Amino acid sequence: NAGVTQTPKFQVLKTGQSMTLQCAQDMNHEYMSWYRQDPGMGLRLIHYSVGAGITDQGEVPNGYNVSRSTTEDFPLRLLSAAPSQTSVYFCASSERASGAYNEQFFGPGTRLTVL
Amino acid sequence: AQSVTQPDIHITVSEGASLELRCNYSYGATPYLFWYVQSPGQGLQLLLKYFSGDTLVQGIKGFEAEFKRSQSSFNLRKPSVHWSDAAEYFCAVGSFNFGNEKLTFGTGTRLTIIP
Repeated sequence: NAGVTQTPKFQVLKTGQSMTLQCAQDMNHEYMSWYRQDPGMGLRLIHYSVGAGITDQGEVPNGYNVSRSTTEDFPLRLLSAAPSQTSVYFCASSERASGAYNEQFFGPGTRLTVL
Repeated sequence: AQSVTQPDIHITVSEGASLELRCNYSYGATPYLFWYVQSPGQGLQLLLKYFSGDTLVQGIKGFEAEFKRSQSSFNLRKPSVHWSDAAEYFCAVGSFNFGNEKLTFGTGTRLTIIP
């Protein structure tokens, strides 16, 4: 098992450009999520999905879009990048069970710089 | 709304000394609590978790944490640190109501180990 993979590892964008951060997992997990990590702010939830075809907003969704067409993939799209989106982005996945917790597995992260 | 406070941004301890990292949470019901560790340039790894039962939980790498409901705390401890413990540590609280799964992180504590 590769676990949770993210591509690219590093990316530099100019303001206004668009791009997609890729996230894939091979553990057949229903739940997937995207976080951004900024100095002094910990990890903040951007969007999450509880299964294929279902997505919802987290704490900081503005400027980001997601879709979940398959169980394995959960891409994060920046439609018009802004310097405020400079951050490290983590994707995570877990099994899903009502009333219970299943460990979230994190990818290695994507470091994004917007100039 | 759930929240987590880690009051110590940076802690320095000598190798072999004991360690305690503080975490306070706010949550309306019985919380699901976690400690994650992030080594430089890496994703997050789960150290330990608390759901219910024994308030002292054991984790990986010799870490333990104690849940104290009266103090809304979940402090992480290790009796003797090793140089390899240098990392950033995140406390998190989880809401796992079906259809509303969310994990809220604290801002993190960076641990430096001196020889």
